[in-house]
Amino acid sequence: ETGVTQTPRHLVMGMTNKKSLKCEQHLGHNAMYWYKQSAKKPLELMFVYSLEERVENNSVPSRFSPECPNSSHLFLHLHTLQPEDSALYLCASSQEEGPGGATDTQYFGPGTRLTVL
Amino acid sequence: GQNIDQPTEMTATEGAIVQINCTYQTSGFNGLFWYQQHAGEAPTFLSYNVLDGLEEKGRFSSFLSRSKGYSYLLLKELQMKDSASYLCAVPIYNQGGKLIFGQGTELSVKP
Repeated sequence: ETGVTQTPRHLVMGMTNKKSLKCEQHLGHNAMYWYKQSAKKPLELMFVYSLEERVENNSVPSRFSPECPNSSHLFLHLHTLQPEDSALYLCASSQEEGPGGATDTQYFGPGTRLTVL
Repeated sequence: GQNIDQPTEMTATEGAIVQINCTYQTSGFNGLFWYQQHAGEAPTFLSYNVLDGLEEKGRFSSFLSRSKGYSYLLLKELQMKDSASYLCAVPIYNQGGKLIFGQGTELSVKP
């Protein structure tokens, strides 16, 4: 596998279900990101992990819970979601120098298309 | 605050040239990215500009004017496969990899 992979590619869940999205990067990067992409809206940054520490949660509802066990893996745990949470969830990774450093290119995974019924 | 504006939709003809504009307002500046996203697929990196001027990369070129808060993506010799959404993104100054994205410009290339 190369680049950034995400599983599952499609997920349909009820509002009472608990599920997890998985992301894996094979690029040796030190930062990983979760984005939400809704129709006709800009990509919204949800969470940032740099060197496995969460550095931003951007006021995301607590029904979304990220986990970063190591620099190559990122999870997004979902529980009691709402229909308006239906969207494409994208994972990305980059090699960051830290605050004040240059911004490196982010490489995206193919996304998980989530539908909440 | 930070704000990015780009047109929602554009249509062009195969073989033609199209220019997709992006204006931004940021406190501080650390470069500007362009990504291409085909329907149902991941955004893929096209270009990164941090200095003023035009950078050419094959059929695609990207221009930046920092004084005007303005960038454009120029696509030449359009092909049907260029039909996609083009995303303009700006890093939040001094906050590492956090990007703010525009809503994307949906380009349709017609025969």
